[in-house]
Amino acid sequence: AQSVSQHNHHVILSEAASLELGCNYSYGGTVNLFWYVQYPGQHLQLLLKYFSGDPLVKGIKGFEAEFIKSKFSFNLRKPSVQWSDTAEYFCAVKIYNQGGKLIFGQGTELSVKP
Amino acid sequence: DTAVSQTPKYLVTQMGNDKSIKCEQNLGHDTMYWYKQDSKKFLKIMFSYNNKELIINETVPNRFSPKSPDKAHLNLHINSLELGDSAVYFCASSQASGTYEQYFGPGTRLTVT
Repeated sequence: AQSVSQHNHHVILSEAASLELGCNYSYGGTVNLFWYVQYPGQHLQLLLKYFSGDPLVKGIKGFEAEFIKSKFSFNLRKPSVQWSDTAEYFCAVKIYNQGGKLIFGQGTELSVKP
Repeated sequence: DTAVSQTPKYLVTQMGNDKSIKCEQNLGHDTMYWYKQDSKKFLKIMFSYNNKELIINETVPNRFSPKSPDKAHLNLHINSLELGDSAVYFCASSQASGTYEQYFGPGTRLTVT
């Protein structure tokens, strides 16, 4: 069965530290990849997406992610986090020709200390 | 303007009751979805409709019945509510079911007592 795995359940960083959140998926065919963020008490917002082309994608708020097909990975990065980045981060995969459903990872809670 | 809206935002009810959650999108999208987020924040697809036609029906109890009166609305009706139904339910929409991102609503927190 297809699945998405996020390696870190809870990450705690100080402001200005660099961030990398891991995401791996299990499917050998064509996929679209997404990172969503959920701030406390709010709905999911799209951070960035990969459909095709340049495997390094840039999103909002200084986030970027790199698709490495050979590793089935789509890790999220940010060079310098801020307190306002405290949120839950979800990696998601959409598998081609499966009706558009998103398969989500378990989520990573990011806490940034001021 | 709210792109994807849900009502109510909070719903507290007793076991055995029947309740509905409404979702509306004003983005002109063709496809709408329902996701369930459990207490561990894990998100899972429940249903998807494309132009009022059901295209995804994951392993969801028959007590859950989606209804799409038009392509801008996708409602979720739940019969005989159980404690395990307590969760946050998110509606989402996308331009189509293919290579398009999904926009999520604010969620409905359902608590069954």
